[in-house]
Amino acid sequence: GAGVSQSPSNKVTEKGKDVELRCDPISGHTALYWYRQSLGQGLEFLIYFQGNSAPDKSGLPSDRFSAERTGGSVSTLTIQRTQQEDSAVYLCASSPLAGGPYEQYFGPGTRLTVT
Amino acid sequence: DAKTTQPNSMESNEEEPVHLPCNHSTISGTDYIHWYRQLPSQGPEYVIHGLTSNVNNRMASLAIAEDRKSSTLILHRATLRDAAVYYCILKGLNYGGSQGNLIFGKGTKLSVKP
Repeated sequence: GAGVSQSPSNKVTEKGKDVELRCDPISGHTALYWYRQSLGQGLEFLIYFQGNSAPDKSGLPSDRFSAERTGGSVSTLTIQRTQQEDSAVYLCASSPLAGGPYEQYFGPGTRLTVT
Repeated sequence: DAKTTQPNSMESNEEEPVHLPCNHSTISGTDYIHWYRQLPSQGPEYVIHGLTSNVNNRMASLAIAEDRKSSTLILHRATLRDAAVYYCILKGLNYGGSQGNLIFGKGTKLSVKP
């Protein structure tokens, strides 16, 4: 079946502009996660959604970052007033549920470059 | 989620078995042991997970110590395509709380020589 898809695959934007990154999770997966990976750095958790519960936003680095998940499916990560330090690969993952026994399936990522 | 410790890097020869160790001395009774890997320029890929018993799947085997304070990911015959960063991650049982996300460390960079 179809895996997690993300769009765009690459995005170049000017400093100060807003960007939207999209994630289509695997159908039926109730948990959706956003991570980012800066050049040469590890993977950093940003936010996750579990069903209709309030999202866990504990990993968002600043209030310029926000995300929503519509209809329990597609998610959009929005970065306002982008800064050069926002340049990274943004990864989305989904899982049947959020708990311990459930594996996460990752998309290919969106490479964001802020000039 | 509890912390894990892995070697920074390991080398293997093609077609030989590889044993990737992970220490997790502060693991709790309900923490699952997950392994993911990240090939160059790709997103992470799930490999295997377990709780107490050893596990096998088409990709690898997971050997869990009796006291659960360590585990070993076993690739039975390494191929060049197995060259990646391997992450050992503990994941709590909580289905709705802050333990849902994965906390990635630095992992082990595996190099495979032909």
